[in-house]
Amino acid sequence: GAVVSQHPSRVICKSGTSVKIECRSLDFQATTMFWYRQFPKQSLMLMATSNEGSKATYEQGVEKDKFLINHASLTLSTLTVTSAHPEDSSFYICSARAERSSYGYTFGSGTRLTVV
Amino acid sequence: QKEVEQDPGPLSVPEGAIVSLNCTYSNSAFQYFMWYRQYSRKGPELLMYTYSSGNKEDGRFTAQVDKSSKYISLFIRDSQPSDSATYLCAMSRFSNSGYALNFGKGTSLLVTP
Repeated sequence: GAVVSQHPSRVICKSGTSVKIECRSLDFQATTMFWYRQFPKQSLMLMATSNEGSKATYEQGVEKDKFLINHASLTLSTLTVTSAHPEDSSFYICSARAERSSYGYTFGSGTRLTVV
Repeated sequence: QKEVEQDPGPLSVPEGAIVSLNCTYSNSAFQYFMWYRQYSRKGPELLMYTYSSGNKEDGRFTAQVDKSSKYISLFIRDSQPSDSATYLCAMSRFSNSGYALNFGKGTSLLVTP
């Protein structure tokens, strides 16, 4: 089956620094990747949608200059949290969808970001 | 009103019980309906997906969609302690973001031995 690898699984960083999270589709080409954020006991909230080779589409209220998304190839998308602050601490999850699949979403294992 | 509503629970049942999980939605444009299982600090894992109204069965799991009522359900038969997790309903429709998913809050399920 389709596998999405997400790294790192956990990261602690100092306030003001930047953190990069990688999401790779291992055995399929992902034309579209989604980035979600999940706070404790809350649902997954879509942050942005990235399409290979084009700019990401951000959801309302998500700062595109703070959460930089790059989808340079059909198997890799990255999310960079710039100038991280404690309120950015959350669980970030990526999801990838194979071409011609409207429901074939596969999720990464998530990244627990803690900003101290 | 949120587009997808799901009771967060927690729901506690004894081993062997039948579990019923439900979601309601308000947007009739949703076309695909999914149930995900999420263990603590892990990414969601797809359990079931359906497109049309009706039932779909896979082992101990049955997904039910009633588009006229905008109501979906997941039934778990012969529940096991290993089923203890958070269950998220999700729905998708085509939008400017493609087929992005809208999630419910998730229902926390505990199956006790």
